[in-house]
Amino acid sequence: GAVVSQHPSRVICKSGTSVKIECRSLDFQATTMFWYRQFPKQSLMLMATSNEGSKATYEQGVEKDKFLINHASLTLSTLTVTSAHPEDSSFYICSASVPAPQSDTQYFGPGTRLTVL
Amino acid sequence: KQEVTQIPAALSVPEGENLVLNCSFTDSAIYNLQWFRQDPGKGLTSLLLIQSSQREQTSGRLNASLDKSSGRSTLYIAASQPGDSATYLCAVSNQAGTALIFGKGTTLSVSS
Repeated sequence: GAVVSQHPSRVICKSGTSVKIECRSLDFQATTMFWYRQFPKQSLMLMATSNEGSKATYEQGVEKDKFLINHASLTLSTLTVTSAHPEDSSFYICSASVPAPQSDTQYFGPGTRLTVL
Repeated sequence: KQEVTQIPAALSVPEGENLVLNCSFTDSAIYNLQWFRQDPGKGLTSLLLIQSSQREQTSGRLNASLDKSSGRSTLYIAASQPGDSATYLCAVSNQAGTALIFGKGTTLSVSS
């Protein structure tokens, strides 16, 4: 099956710094990638939808200037958490949608654990 | 707005028991429904995908059913094993190629 990778798997940073998380589809081209966030004991919540070559669509309550998303190629989307604060500590997971007509399957990355001190 | 609810939030059973996890969703106009497994601190493992036109899917000891009209799905696990201990997430998609909407999960603990 299709494989999605994320890097890094774990990152610890100081408050005020920026952190970039990469999401790659390894063996297929993904026109759409999704970024989710999962707080402890909570479910995955969609943050934004990333489409190759266009601006990301953010969910209500997610600050687009704080969570910068770049989908510059069909195999790579990046999420940059700018000026990170302790409340941004969370588990970030991306998924990639297989293009139509098989676009009913999403493949998830292994996630990135962000800890902001 | 689609909402997904999973009951119970946690479940503890002895090894060998059969068990059922429940998932309900508020908008029956779904495209598909998926069950995932998540181990602590890890990503998601897809278990079963049910298209909106299907009633059930089976994989090994797992069987997932879908009653779209009533907005319900169940995940049946037969002969549970300690290795089944994990959090099980239910998620629905409203349209092809769109993001999934997740429930909060059921955390299963199977004791030996």
